[in-house]
Amino acid sequence: KNEVEQSPQNLTAQEGEFITINCSYSVGISALHWLQQHPGGGIVSLFMLSSGKKKHGRLIATINIQEKHSSLHITASHPRDSAVYICAVILQGAQKLVFGQGTRLTINP
Amino acid sequence: NAGVTQTPKFQVLKTGQSMTLQCAQDMNHNSMYWYRQDPGMGLRLIYYSASEGTTDKGEVPNGYNVSRLNKREFSLRLESAAPSQTSVYFCASSIEFVNYGYTFGSGTRLTVV
Repeated sequence: KNEVEQSPQNLTAQEGEFITINCSYSVGISALHWLQQHPGGGIVSLFMLSSGKKKHGRLIATINIQEKHSSLHITASHPRDSAVYICAVILQGAQKLVFGQGTRLTINP
Repeated sequence: NAGVTQTPKFQVLKTGQSMTLQCAQDMNHNSMYWYRQDPGMGLRLIYYSASEGTTDKGEVPNGYNVSRLNKREFSLRLESAAPSQTSVYFCASSIEFVNYGYTFGSGTRLTVV
């Protein structure tokens, strides 16, 4: 079993819908990253968080350390949000970053 | 533009050939990393350099070598390419090791035939 599991693996939605991508992990962590990989392949860091919630534009990331779970929300989704979203955790005490397999999001106009 | 620059973007090698992937960052970051990305798998760490003058193995170092040439540059060398090394390679950097946001390069798509 992977230390980091994302769900769903694939998600297709209509423009304007509220999107939720989930990340669960089975180990102690010191922080968690959300990354976005565009269809062209480039990877962009969206958030790094260790508690609570962060917001940037239409993107919101939350984390519950006790439940070992994080969510990435996209409000008023747009076709340009189509990408692979990757969750990665920093293992506590190990200084090691472990990546999930990613969630492929497609937003149709 | 500030960021991480990787070259080349695409490469096809024959089995047994060697090549070096170049990576440079202009953000004065201390730490640099090389990852590979394969279908159905998360990014896996090949080698990293926590600071200038140091390099360490990651999860999948076999068949690779690295050089931290200076604070800006971190290269990845395949001495004798194998088909199993067909992958997309990403260089990344961060201000300090691990516990900070990462900046990624645009990737190198390598095919070994």
